[in-house]
Amino acid sequence: GQQVQQSPASLVLQEGENAELQCNFSSTATQLQWFYQRPGGSLVSLLYNPSGTKHTGRLTSTTVTKERRSSLHISSSQITDSGTYFCAMTTGGNNKLTFGQGTVLSVIP
Amino acid sequence: GGIITQTPKFLIGQEGQKLTLKCQQNFNHDTMYWYRQDSGKGLRLIYYSITENDLQKGDLSEGYDASREKKSSFSLTVTSAQKNEMAVFLCASSMMGGHEQYFGPGTRLTVL
Repeated sequence: GQQVQQSPASLVLQEGENAELQCNFSSTATQLQWFYQRPGGSLVSLLYNPSGTKHTGRLTSTTVTKERRSSLHISSSQITDSGTYFCAMTTGGNNKLTFGQGTVLSVIP
Repeated sequence: GGIITQTPKFLIGQEGQKLTLKCQQNFNHDTMYWYRQDSGKGLRLIYYSITENDLQKGDLSEGYDASREKKSSFSLTVTSAQKNEMAVFLCASSMMGGHEQYFGPGTRLTVL
């Protein structure tokens, strides 16, 4: 089946630094979505980006479909950005999202 | 905008018990999903329903049943609760045909 690999597994940043999270997948993605989850919290959709570049606030996602990869850039990280970031994708026209294992981000003062 | 509601927020059951989790959405979305999230891990799809009266198995359907009662609601039943399936169960919905999915707050299952 399709696989989604996220890197790094964990990341520690000082407040104000930028973060770059990577997502690689085994099949061509027709959907690509980035999510955020605070410990014990619900899953929040950050960006829906099956191809190209999208921005929202301090977040930028770039998906290169033919290279089967996507990245999430967080600029000027804040302590409240701490949590786990997941990417998830589907192939073809189906609705079945496959999730990566997540990147745990810790932003320290 | 819309919202997804999951009940209960916390569910405690005995090993071997049959337990039901409920999900409601007011996005008017066609497709609904149930995922399971084990501690510190990503999500895995249990069941999904493309439209009302449809039911599709995901990668983790064994030990679960699902029911799409109407367009806005989707239930998941744990047929015989086991201690190794203590997890958070997340419901989601989307428009039909592969679109952005929106998630509910989750139901945390504990099996004694």
